[in-house]
Amino acid sequence: GENVEQHPSTLSVQEGDSAVIKCTYSDSASNYFPWYKQELGKRPQLIIDIRSNVGEKKDQRIAVTLNKTAKHFSLHITETQPEDSAVYFCAARVAGNTPLVFGKGTRLSVIA
Amino acid sequence: EPEVTQTPSHQVTQMGQEVILRCVPISNHLYFYWYRQILGQKVEFLVSFYNNEISEKSEIFDDQFSVERPDGSNFTLKIRSTKLEDSAMYFCASNAGVGYEQYFGPGTRLTVT
Repeated sequence: GENVEQHPSTLSVQEGDSAVIKCTYSDSASNYFPWYKQELGKRPQLIIDIRSNVGEKKDQRIAVTLNKTAKHFSLHITETQPEDSAVYFCAARVAGNTPLVFGKGTRLSVIA
Repeated sequence: EPEVTQTPSHQVTQMGQEVILRCVPISNHLYFYWYRQILGQKVEFLVSFYNNEISEKSEIFDDQFSVERPDGSNFTLKIRSTKLEDSAMYFCASNAGVGYEQYFGPGTRLTVT
């Protein structure tokens, strides 16, 4: 089955700097890659997603890139703010409504 | 904006007891899921449900677990005889159809003592 690896496990950046989180997946049939942000004690919130027919997607300060050949995808956050501090999870899903397979998460700390 | 809701927010139970966790998916959604997250770890899939039957389940979802959609709105997860290792946050999720985003509920924190 699908396996998703996520790095780094923790990331500290200065406010205003960029943060990059990387994930790899194993199943070449996966075609949907969401990113979730989870604040302490709260639900995972979808922040951006990308499908396999697209190489890059951007939404304001957040962007996601996908390299299907290498089977990896990355989350980029620019101009980080303290409220970006949270745990970020990547996930992958094969076509249809198969369940999401999550990475282990990255704890991002933005230092003011 | 519609949201997935879950009750209770926190459940404490003794080992061996049965618990039922409740979820109300977004009203026009067709696919329902249960995930769990042990403290500090990643979110893990338990079971998916569509058209009143289980469509997929993980190896975690053994005979102690069951799911039900007793009416048109609720979606429940039952653990028949809880174990200490069942202590986790349980998330319900739903999506509208093939290829649509999954939305998560706020979770139920289950503590087994």
